[in-house]
Amino acid sequence: DTAVSQTPKYLVTQMGNDKSIKCEQNLGHDTMYWYKQDSKKFLKIMFSYNNKELIINETVPNRFSPKSPDKAHLNLHINSLELGDSAVYFCASSPVRTGANVLTFGAGSRLTVL
Amino acid sequence: SQQGEEDPQALSIQEGENATMNCSYKTSINNLQWYRQNSGRGLVHLILIRSNEREKHSGRLRVTLDTSKKSSSLLITASRAADTASYFCATDRGSGYSTLTFGKGTMLLVSP
Repeated sequence: DTAVSQTPKYLVTQMGNDKSIKCEQNLGHDTMYWYKQDSKKFLKIMFSYNNKELIINETVPNRFSPKSPDKAHLNLHINSLELGDSAVYFCASSPVRTGANVLTFGAGSRLTVL
Repeated sequence: SQQGEEDPQALSIQEGENATMNCSYKTSINNLQWYRQNSGRGLVHLILIRSNEREKHSGRLRVTLDTSKKSSSLLITASRAADTASYFCATDRGSGYSTLTFGKGTMLLVSP
């Protein structure tokens, strides 16, 4: 069983569209994250949720809206997609909120905006 | 915000050789971690070293941490073609709702 699974793996869409990426973890972790990896492989934290509560919201445009229906799921909805949103989005989870946060990552969702 | 910076950006070696990657960061940390990313895949945690530790080993991996210089190194001994990947250091301040801050990575190519 995949520990952190994301769908879809690939997403190609037009500018202006709205799309969602789903993430589920079966590790029983309390904390989940969304990271964005750009074309130069730089990884940047976008959001972090602890037990369904938003705890980290970096300077991300409000076109990005995360939703956590329960602590095993963290979805990412993006409105009015722009060319600059093209990237690989990684979901991750960790068992603790503070201290040694060791992350388990999903395989990534590659978003291409045309 | 603090950010790890790895160097070199890219490293090409032959199988059997050792590979050393370095990471520098800017602010105080609780721990530093190294992750590997194979092409087209997610990151996989390799090793964690706490701020009060100087060296740690795991199999063919050796990590050092020098908090006075705010730097860490990852040594992979007797490299294999399967070690070809990007390697990232990540710093954790360990306070409040901290998250990992990743560097830009070192791309390692191990040729048979």
